[in-house]
Amino acid sequence: ETGVTQSPTHLIKTRGQQVTLRCSSQSGHNTVSWYQQALGQGPQFIFQYYREEENGRGNFPPRFSGLQFPNYSSELNVNALELDDSALYLCASSSVDAWEFNEQFFGPGTRLTVL
Amino acid sequence: DQQVKQNSPSLSVQEGRISILNCDYTNSMFDYFLWYKKYPAEGPTFLISISSIKDKNEDGRFTVFLNKSAKHLSLHIVPSQPGDSAVYFCAAVSDSWGKLQFGAGTQVVVTP
Repeated sequence: ETGVTQSPTHLIKTRGQQVTLRCSSQSGHNTVSWYQQALGQGPQFIFQYYREEENGRGNFPPRFSGLQFPNYSSELNVNALELDDSALYLCASSSVDAWEFNEQFFGPGTRLTVL
Repeated sequence: DQQVKQNSPSLSVQEGRISILNCDYTNSMFDYFLWYKKYPAEGPTFLISISSIKDKNEDGRFTVFLNKSAKHLSLHIVPSQPGDSAVYFCAAVSDSWGKLQFGAGTQVVVTP
């Protein structure tokens, strides 16, 4: 069984640019969540996708957007990059049953540096 | 606002002794709490969880205690091993979709 994978591992961008991060969910999982982990902090929930629809969003501006594809892989897009967007971006997948909580499985993350 | 707080950024413990990690929360709607462990260059991995209807959950060397009246939970690791050296995150959810709210983490170092 393949775990959650993310690409690229590292990325350097300049302020104002746009970036796309990718995530492949664990086999059989239909839900993906994205988190931002700034240095010295815990991961912060960005948004979640369930069966290709956004299913909740954290306190992040609209320039953070996402997609989930029919094969349940996902993208996180960030427009107009700011210095504070420098962080580790984590993707987590799960198979959510509406009647009970299921744990999430995290990928290794993409380290984004904005100069 | 930070609804899940881990006030100890670091903890050093001797091998074989008990590690106690603490976590406080402010949102009484949280109904499930989890602990994750994170090594450098890896994503967080699930360690142990507890439902809000319980006050204790045990899994091998790991035990989580929940005190709802104090809005406090703790993770006990007994005995601590060198491989336990990692960052530990406390997290909470208020629905079945698993939108996790994390604390800032505690760096645990287990010394020989």
